Amino acid sequence: NAGVTQTPKFRILKIGQSMTLQCTQDMNHNYMYWYRQDPGMGLKLIYYSVGAGITDKGEVPNGYNVSRSTTEDFPLRLELAAPSQTSVYFCASSYTTGPGNTIYFGEGSWLTVV
Amino acid sequence: QKEVEQDPGPLSVPEGAIVSLNCTYSNSAFQYFMWYRQYSRKGPELLMYTYSSGNKEDGRFTAQVDKSSKYISLFIRDSQPSDSATYLCATYTGTASKLTFGTGTRLQVTL
Repeated sequence: NAGVTQTPKFRILKIGQSMTLQCTQDMNHNYMYWYRQDPGMGLKLIYYSVGAGITDKGEVPNGYNVSRSTTEDFPLRLELAAPSQTSVYFCASSYTTGPGNTIYFGEGSWLTVV
Repeated sequence: QKEVEQDPGPLSVPEGAIVSLNCTYSNSAFQYFMWYRQYSRKGPELLMYTYSSGNKEDGRFTAQVDKSSKYISLFIRDSQPSDSATYLCATYTGTASKLTFGTGTRLQVTL
């Protein structure tokens, strides 16, 4: 009963380093998303994917890259980390985008850039 | 102006109280309205959704939408300590990329 699994849970990065946040889901969902959540700012969509091989930018894509080689996995790559990328990152998935569509979120990855 | 506005709280109420959580939105194109609950150090989970104006009830929870005033509410009856969480309202026009979240209201239900 895994759902959406994210790793790592916590990470400290130095400015300029790169890293990948891993996300996998076992619900055979077509749609996958990456959000970031900052205090007082709500959830902002970084990238999303409507299926394997298809990705698109969300509201705040700068400084990030994604790929979707399989239905299950949707890693988020941070290149040249900056303090502004200190945030909580949530991966999510859903079967469709129709009315009442349930988006399932992972438990989050806390990233600090120093 | 943010597309979805939500009072961040915190809101503290005694156990058994009726809680009212509210959001306002600016885009009249929004058709679907959702409430997510987020426990500390966890991801959000969908609590309820409604379409257009009206009420929807699910156990102790009632979601209300007034499109004429662009106002959405979540009422929690007989609040319990387990209801202590951050509640996020969200709206969207019908596509995944257009899901817009409020900032969340932190609720604390005390014994």
